[in-house]
Amino acid sequence: GQSLEQPSEVTAVEGAIVQINCTYQTSGFYGLSWYQQHDGGAPTFLSYNALDGLEETGRFSSFLSRSDSYGYLLLQELQMKDSASYFCRKDKIIFGKGTRLHILP
Amino acid sequence: ETGVTQSPTHLIKTRGQQVTLRCSSQSGHNTVSWYQQALGQGPQFIFQYYREEENGRGNFPPRFSGLQFPNYSSELNVNALELDDSALYLCASSKADGVGTEAFFGQGTRLTVV
Repeated sequence: GQSLEQPSEVTAVEGAIVQINCTYQTSGFYGLSWYQQHDGGAPTFLSYNALDGLEETGRFSSFLSRSDSYGYLLLQELQMKDSASYFCRKDKIIFGKGTRLHILP
Repeated sequence: ETGVTQSPTHLIKTRGQQVTLRCSSQSGHNTVSWYQQALGQGPQFIFQYYREEENGRGNFPPRFSGLQFPNYSSELNVNALELDDSALYLCASSKADGVGTEAFFGQGTRLTVV
């Protein structure tokens, strides 16, 4: 009921665009946020959606559709430094298990 | 740098012992949340403190307890350590109750229970 589902791994090419999906079951929540975590590092905030639609922050955008029970993080113009794990988070409590993004040169 | 400091960075304890982890929140933040992150997993919510009161708790046993001080720094205490408690413990500070606001994470404390 409360879990967030993400793909475990995604691979993309430098300079490309990649979308990381996050699906959920429980409908009652305030918003969905996204965090990036490099190996050995702390999660850092990327984006937040309280309302349906697209939020754009530089190369990163996030989308939420409550009617379809999913959201996604869109990363454009991929750089090697974007290789990391990406987590969606529902309100303050529930994190997804994370998606490890591998970027090929 | 997020302004959130955790100590110690690494710790090794024996099964059955007790441990205290510390977190200094970012200036101006009155809410601290604690998470446990096992290797290859997402952070699991332990509990949150808002203005020195516990304000939400995840599915963790009572041997996980905490405190928040008047300066909004916080402690996580774990009694009767078990091998499965080995993990990265993260704290995050935020301005309000953290629902819609950005949370700033510390670098974490890597706890190993042997």
